[in-house]
Amino acid sequence: KQEVTQIPAALSVPEGENLVLNCSFTDSAIYNLQWFRQDPGKGLTSLLLIQSSQREQTSGRLNASLDKSSGRSTLYIAASQPGDSATYLCAVRHPGGFKTIFGAGTRLFVKA
Amino acid sequence: GAGVSQSPRYKVAKRGQDVALRCDPISGHVSLFWYQQALGQGPEFLTYFQNEAQLDKSGLPSDRFFAERPEGSVSTLKIQRTQQEDSAVYLCASSYGTGTIGNTIYFGEGSWLTVV
Repeated sequence: KQEVTQIPAALSVPEGENLVLNCSFTDSAIYNLQWFRQDPGKGLTSLLLIQSSQREQTSGRLNASLDKSSGRSTLYIAASQPGDSATYLCAVRHPGGFKTIFGAGTRLFVKA
Repeated sequence: GAGVSQSPRYKVAKRGQDVALRCDPISGHVSLFWYQQALGQGPEFLTYFQNEAQLDKSGLPSDRFFAERPEGSVSTLKIQRTQQEDSAVYLCASSYGTGTIGNTIYFGEGSWLTVV
């Protein structure tokens, strides 16, 4: 059974700092991995989608990497801003399956 | 529409009451998912539709939960005889492709259900 773990559970950083959020998964036979952002009381917003054949994806100040063999992904946020404060979730999908399995998320607070 | 729309946004139900939660996916999206999210947790998969066909309902927690998408667009999640443990946010999501293809998934803002 696939399990997705995110560390740390919560993180507080000063504005401008670069930071890394970690995601690990127990079954490496994934189809893709997706990073989401969730603001309080809101739904999830997709940030980056990495297919299993890819090593990383970039969007603006965000960079996500994927190492299937070790069951790990990282989300790198450069020059953090207070507006980046949210919960970040990673999720994996398996080939031939419909479920997307989520981690519990990392709550990020960027202090001005 | 521009995004996935869910209604009601907030629902308070008395224990034992039936509730119906509506999801209006992005126009043209084939796949539709329902998730349940407890406070402080990631979403948990409930069920998946490809057009009007419910291809996976393995995440529905009990036979009190029922979902339908009769015309392949709007979907309704129905919970019968609500219990306190049903209190959660119910998220609907859609994607353009079929469920086995790695398309980006777009989520609605959720329906917050509180059972008292």
